[in-house]
Amino acid sequence: AQSVSQHNHHVILSEAASLELGCNYSYGGTVNLFWYVQYPGQHLQLLLKYFSGDPLVKGIKGFEAEFIKSKFSFNLRKPSVQWSDTAEYFCAVTSSSNTGKLIFGQGTTLQVKP
Amino acid sequence: SAVISQKPSRDICQRGTSLTIQCQVDSQVTMMFWYRQQPGQSLTLIATANQGSEATYESGFVIDKFPISRPNLTFSTLTVSNMSPEDSSIYLCSVVEPYSNQPQHFGDGTRLSIL
Repeated sequence: AQSVSQHNHHVILSEAASLELGCNYSYGGTVNLFWYVQYPGQHLQLLLKYFSGDPLVKGIKGFEAEFIKSKFSFNLRKPSVQWSDTAEYFCAVTSSSNTGKLIFGQGTTLQVKP
Repeated sequence: SAVISQKPSRDICQRGTSLTIQCQVDSQVTMMFWYRQQPGQSLTLIATANQGSEATYESGFVIDKFPISRPNLTFSTLTVSNMSPEDSSIYLCSVVEPYSNQPQHFGDGTRLSIL
C-alpha cells in the first residue's frame, strides 16, 4: 500500500535559516507528488507539485522541492525562511493511475522565530 | 483555481445526532473528495463523490456512517451519522478541475465537535 513518511514532526528555526523538510513515499509505480501548507487558521493550500519532467520544482513563496526517484524522496527546501512561513506542511502522493487518492504524510509543524 | 465553499465552518453536536456538510464549487469539476483530519493527525480520504452515482469509499469508511451525495458537477454533501466523540474532526472537501495535471484544491473545512 502507498504510504508517505515525513521525517520531522516539529521544526523550529530562526528567521533567515535554511529549511529542508524530508518526505519519503512508498509506491512502486509512477507517482505525482505534492507539498501543501496550512497556515494558522487557514485552509490547506498547494505549495508545489510534481507530475513529470524536471525533478526540481519551484513553488510559491520561494519554496522548491526535488524529486529523487531512486530515493523515493521529495524533500521541500527554502534557502531563507521568514516568520510568515510558520505553518504546518504536508507531503502527499497520488499514483499516476489514480490521481484522486491523495495519501498524506503526518505533517511537519514549522515554527519560525523572529 | 476553483473557489470552494464549505458549510458549516464549524459545529458542536450532540452524541447520536447527524450533521450534513455542504461543499459548493464555483465551477464544474471532474472529481470531488471528502477527507477527515482527526485532532493532531494527517488527512485521510473518506470517499470519492461520484456525480450521479454512489460514492466510492476507502477502507474503514462505510456509506451508512458517511452517506455522500453529488447531484451535479459543482455540489456535494457529506453526512456524518449517529455521531460519537470519536467523530470530532475537521472534514474537508477537495476538488480536481477538468484539465490535465491538476492538483486537488481544498475547502476551508468543517470543524466538528461532538459532546
